[in-house]
Amino acid sequence: NAGVTQTPKFQVLKTGQSMTLQCAQDMNHEYMSWYRQDPGMGLRLIHYSVGAGITDQGEVPNGYNVSRSTTEDFPLRLLSAAPSQTSVYFCASRNLGQASYEQYFGPGTRLTVT
Amino acid sequence: AQKVTQAQTEISVVEKEDVTLDCVYETRDTTYYLFWYKQPPSGELVFLIRRNSFDEQNEISGRYSWNFQKSTSSFNFTITASQVVDSAVYFCALSGDILTGGGNKLTFGTGTQLKVEL
Repeated sequence: NAGVTQTPKFQVLKTGQSMTLQCAQDMNHEYMSWYRQDPGMGLRLIHYSVGAGITDQGEVPNGYNVSRSTTEDFPLRLLSAAPSQTSVYFCASRNLGQASYEQYFGPGTRLTVT
Repeated sequence: AQKVTQAQTEISVVEKEDVTLDCVYETRDTTYYLFWYKQPPSGELVFLIRRNSFDEQNEISGRYSWNFQKSTSSFNFTITASQVVDSAVYFCALSGDILTGGGNKLTFGTGTQLKVEL
């Protein structure tokens, strides 16, 4: 199993550009989520999904869109990048059944917006 | 609302010293789950332990041990005989009850940077 994969690993954008961060998992997990990690702030939840066609907002959803058309994939879209979105982005997945299940994290995408 | 506080931003120890990382949490749920994750310099997040709110038994895994105390809302992590390879950022996290909507949101603390020197 590859686990949770994310592409790209690094990305530099100019303000106003759009892009999609890709996330895929091969563990048949219903639950997937996106976090951003900023210095001194830990990880904060952006959006999450409990299955194909079902998404919901987390703590910091503004400026980001998500969709879930398949169980495996959960892309994160930045429609108009801003310097405040410079961060490290992590995708994670887990079994949906219980909140006690640990989340498996991808390797992260380091995004810089200039 | 859920909240996790890791008051120690950075801790430096000399190898073989014991070190305790503090975690204090807030939640209104009676059922909740606590986690510790390790983030080494390479950047990935590594799951260390999970504890549910009904299980206050302390746990030991090799040089790692965890002390869960509901009375003080704390879930502290101790590394015995620290090693250089333990150098990392450690995150405490909290997930609430699915029935109240908190189960789908994992709330992280701000992390503690542990530096273990020779």
